[in-house]
Amino acid sequence: NAGVTQTPKFQVLKTGQSMTLQCAQDMNHEYMSWYRQDPGMGLRLIHYSVGAGITDQGEVPNGYNVSRSTTEDFPLRLLSAAPSQTSVYFCASSFNGGGETQYFGPGTRLLVL
Amino acid sequence: EDQVTQSPEALRLQEGESSSLNCSYTVSGLRGLFWYRQDPGKGPEFLFTLYSAGEEKEKERLKATLTKKESFLHITAPKPEDSATYLCAVQTFQGAQKLVFGQGTRLTINP
Repeated sequence: NAGVTQTPKFQVLKTGQSMTLQCAQDMNHEYMSWYRQDPGMGLRLIHYSVGAGITDQGEVPNGYNVSRSTTEDFPLRLLSAAPSQTSVYFCASSFNGGGETQYFGPGTRLLVL
Repeated sequence: EDQVTQSPEALRLQEGESSSLNCSYTVSGLRGLFWYRQDPGKGPEFLFTLYSAGEEKEKERLKATLTKKESFLHITAPKPEDSATYLCAVQTFQGAQKLVFGQGTRLTINP
């Protein structure tokens, strides 16, 4: 099992550009989430999904879109990047949504100039 | 609003010097409190779950405890390989799919 994979590992964007952060898992988990990690603020939930076709907003959803067309994939879209979106992004998956079963990906470091 | 606060922000110890990390929380209806370890450039890795006050969990040199207001991660006789950032998170019954994280404690163990 590859677990949770994220691409790219690192990306530089200019303000106003769009991009998609990819997340995939091969554990057949129903629950998937996106977090951002900023210095001094811990991880904050952006969006989450409880199954294919079902998504919901987390704590900091503004500026981000998600969709879940398959169980395996949960991409995060930035439609018009802003410097405030400079952060490290982590994708996580879980078979039951519980904190004890969360598997995190290696992260994507995003710099918006 | 659910809140989690960790202290200290950073802790530097000598090898073998025991200490504790603190996680204070304010939530409505705690489903579980979780400790994770995060190494530089990697995602968090699950360590412990605590569900009710008085519960304790142990793994090697780490022991996690829980009261109604806070959790402690005790590190006994640490080694340099215990150096990492330790994250605390809570999950409530109302937000069952959501984790609320603290800021983390960056632990450095000097040989």
